[in-house]
Amino acid sequence: AQSVTQLGSHVSVSEGALVLLRCNYSSSVPPYLFWYVQYPNQGLQLLLKYTSAATLVKGINGFEAEFKKSETSFHLTKPSAHMSDAAEYFCAVTRRSNQAGTALIFGKGTTLSVSS
Amino acid sequence: EAQVTQNPRYLITVTGKKLTVTCSQNMNHEYMSWYRQDPGLGLRQIYYSMNVEVTDKGDVPEGYKVSRKEKRNFPLILESPSPNQTSLYFCASRRPGGHEAFFGQGTRLTVV
Repeated sequence: AQSVTQLGSHVSVSEGALVLLRCNYSSSVPPYLFWYVQYPNQGLQLLLKYTSAATLVKGINGFEAEFKKSETSFHLTKPSAHMSDAAEYFCAVTRRSNQAGTALIFGKGTTLSVSS
Repeated sequence: EAQVTQNPRYLITVTGKKLTVTCSQNMNHEYMSWYRQDPGLGLRQIYYSMNVEVTDKGDVPEGYKVSRKEKRNFPLILESPSPNQTSLYFCASRRPGGHEAFFGQGTRLTVV
């Protein structure tokens, strides 16, 4: 069965500091991996996804993530935090399959706070 | 504009009064699903549908029903709501495989 673990339910950084949000997955077959962001009172928006091309994936708003198969990780980073990055972030995994019914499994989320 | 539309955005109801939350997508996606979001628990899948007339249970299906009579619509039905179904609900749609899910704006349901 697939699962996603996000280490740290809450991360606080100063404006301009490095952002690192951790995600580890378990999947019996090669996965597709996603990071979503949720701003207050809004739905989820895709930040970036890994679908087996380059292991370093660049997303919107300066975020990137690196797929490390040996560590079963897909950590999200941003070199310099901005106040507008304050939000909740979700890592998600789905199984590679020809079947349409593959579920998208989410982690429990990490709330990012950015202080000035 | 590609979008997933949920209605209503906010709903307060009483225990036992049947309700339906609608979800519609305009992207011709085969795959639709419902999630509930609770603090500290992330998003948990309630039901999903692979295509018209094909639905299956997710991780937390108890107390919910769904139907998929048309490709674009996937309503969530609570036949007899209870307070433990107070939550934030999201509908999502996507194509199969490594394609991302598109989410609605959410429905905040309170059952008193």
